[in-house]
Amino acid sequence: QKEVEQNSGPLSVPEGAIASLNCTYSDRGSQSFFWYRQYSGKSPELIMFIYSNGDKEDGRFTAQLNKASQYVSLLIRDSQPSDSATYLCAVLSNTGKLIFGQGTTLQVKP
Amino acid sequence: DAGVIQSPRHEVTEMGQEVTLRCKPISGHDYLFWYRQTMMRGLELLIYFNNNVPIDDSGMPEDRFSAKMPNASFSTLKIQPSEPRDSAVYFCASSFSPSGGMAFFGQGTRLTVV
Repeated sequence: QKEVEQNSGPLSVPEGAIASLNCTYSDRGSQSFFWYRQYSGKSPELIMFIYSNGDKEDGRFTAQLNKASQYVSLLIRDSQPSDSATYLCAVLSNTGKLIFGQGTTLQVKP
Repeated sequence: DAGVIQSPRHEVTEMGQEVTLRCKPISGHDYLFWYRQTMMRGLELLIYFNNNVPIDDSGMPEDRFSAKMPNASFSTLKIQPSEPRDSAVYFCASSFSPSGGMAFFGQGTRLTVV
């Protein structure tokens, strides 16, 4: 089992729809969770982080964390073509290492 | 601040040659991370420094890889000798946080070893 798992996609949604990106992790001791966005040929950039169970909202983005289920998700409301990118889930393990998932490719179609 | 600066952006070298990648972190960030990204393995942490001192190099694939940080504004990742399987994008990132979760990434160096 991979430490951080994401569906590679592509996830295709129409413009204006809600995109839901999911991530599961294996280390129950993990405390911090991050979402990075990576455009093709570019570097990852941090868009959200979450530490506590529940939801955290920032503009069109909502991160959701369920530690009991070892599940993190990112919702993007009113998806735009400019949101088309690969979204990387990253989990801080109890050993202090940041472990990245393989990423989910999102395509938002006009 | 210009962000994390890496050089070169692209490097093509022949197998067996030495390759040196360079990084200038964001001023004031105490932590510097070197990552490698490939299609097969995704984004992997190779090594990270705190206040110029290497803290965890368990991700360095083998002795052919070495990294240094002689001062707070400069780090190098060296591969000697290089092999085709080292072909990847190498990212440097810096952070004020030890976890690296709040890191800012450089634009990366795309390395091709032929």
